[in-house]
Amino acid sequence: GNSVTQMEGPVTLSEEAFLTINCTYTATGYPSLFWYVQYPGEGLQLLLKATKADDKGSNKGFEATYRKETTSFHLEKGSVQVSDSAVYFCALSGQGAQKLVFGQGTRLTINP
Amino acid sequence: GAGVSQSPSNKVTEKGKDVELRCDPISGHTALYWYRQSLGQGLEFLIYFQGNSAPDKSGLPSDRFSAERTGGSVSTLTIQRTQQEDSAVYLCASSLFGGGDEQFFGPGTRLTVL
Repeated sequence: GNSVTQMEGPVTLSEEAFLTINCTYTATGYPSLFWYVQYPGEGLQLLLKATKADDKGSNKGFEATYRKETTSFHLEKGSVQVSDSAVYFCALSGQGAQKLVFGQGTRLTINP
Repeated sequence: GAGVSQSPSNKVTEKGKDVELRCDPISGHTALYWYRQSLGQGLEFLIYFQGNSAPDKSGLPSDRFSAERTGGSVSTLTIQRTQQEDSAVYLCASSLFGGGDEQFFGPGTRLTVL
């Protein structure tokens, strides 16, 4: 079945550092790929998405590119801020399927 | 406009009791999902409703779990004879059409089974 594997955390960085959170997936066909974020005390919210190969999703300075050849959707940000501290979830929605399949989540802490 | 709301926000119950969790989706959204977030299992899909179609119950972990959606809007997740392993945060989400649409999540109900 479909699955998502993302880098284990926690990840701790200093402000203005470069961020990469790795995400790889297993799926048949052409899934849609998502990054969701959960800020402290808040609900899950969509950060960005990509629906076909080579698409780049971007939002709030974060980017991720749908790489079918490597089955990856790594999240990147060039300069992180303290306010980016949160738990990040990579997820996929299988072709023709409705449910989201999530990775385990990566807790990110940014220190000033 | 209003987002997805869930009630109660917290629920503490004794092992063996039944509980009901409620979800009010965004108005006009045809698709509604339930997920469970627990320390050991991460985020797991439970059940999906789309319009008047039969729900996808493939994620329900046992027959103690059931859900219904009345009038294509409000949904109730019921857990019978709760067990300690049912302790988790239960999340509801809705989307406009289903499929690969963005899912909007509620704040969740934290269930603790003593």
